[in-house]
Amino acid sequence: GESVGLHLPTLSVQEGDNSIINCAYSNSASDYFIWYKQESGKGPQFIIDIRSNMDKRQGQRVTVLLNKTVKHLSLQIAATQPGDSAVYFCAENRPLQGAQKLVFGQGTRLTINP
Amino acid sequence: EPEVTQTPSHQVTQMGQEVILRCVPISNHLYFYWYRQILGQKVEFLVSFYNNEISEKSEIFDDQFSVERPDGSNFTLKIRSTKLEDSAMYFCASSPDRDSHSGNTIYFGEGSWLTVV
Repeated sequence: GESVGLHLPTLSVQEGDNSIINCAYSNSASDYFIWYKQESGKGPQFIIDIRSNMDKRQGQRVTVLLNKTVKHLSLQIAATQPGDSAVYFCAENRPLQGAQKLVFGQGTRLTINP
Repeated sequence: EPEVTQTPSHQVTQMGQEVILRCVPISNHLYFYWYRQILGQKVEFLVSFYNNEISEKSEIFDDQFSVERPDGSNFTLKIRSTKLEDSAMYFCASSPDRDSHSGNTIYFGEGSWLTVV
């Protein structure tokens, strides 16, 4: 079932360490996945995306891994900084004709300790 | 960098009143969306809009909700008779043509926080 946000999974890491945030998605027909970062009181901010025909994609300090066999997605953040502290959501795209319908996961609160 | 802008940033309204939330999507985008996030919960899809009509809507988007693109730049969400449970952050979003070089990433605005009292 769904998790209420007050019981958001949390992850604390030391500044400079690497972090891995995991996400399970539900629909094997989803063809596109996005990681968003949400800071308090702000909108979701695009971090990185990956299409279902890929297993891995790298950006600046971030890497997304996709395992379609077990419907699992992960976000790796290298050399974490205080500004990385936020809630991270994975979102899967349910294919529509042109338009998108993103289904968001419950989110993980990442805290970077100085 | 182009961005989705929303107004107001925060609105308090009496239960039963009508509310209009406004959005200016990124200028060359063709698809527009509204999502909402109840405090402390995940972001939920409400509606998608393309070519001046609704593409898809969720179960949340019942008859009290409507969307409109009144001119070439604005995209609005109207809630006709607000209920206490409509209190949430409402996010507007937009995405370019699916086949554009930008791909089909959805970009979100900063949100409009609606409080129904």
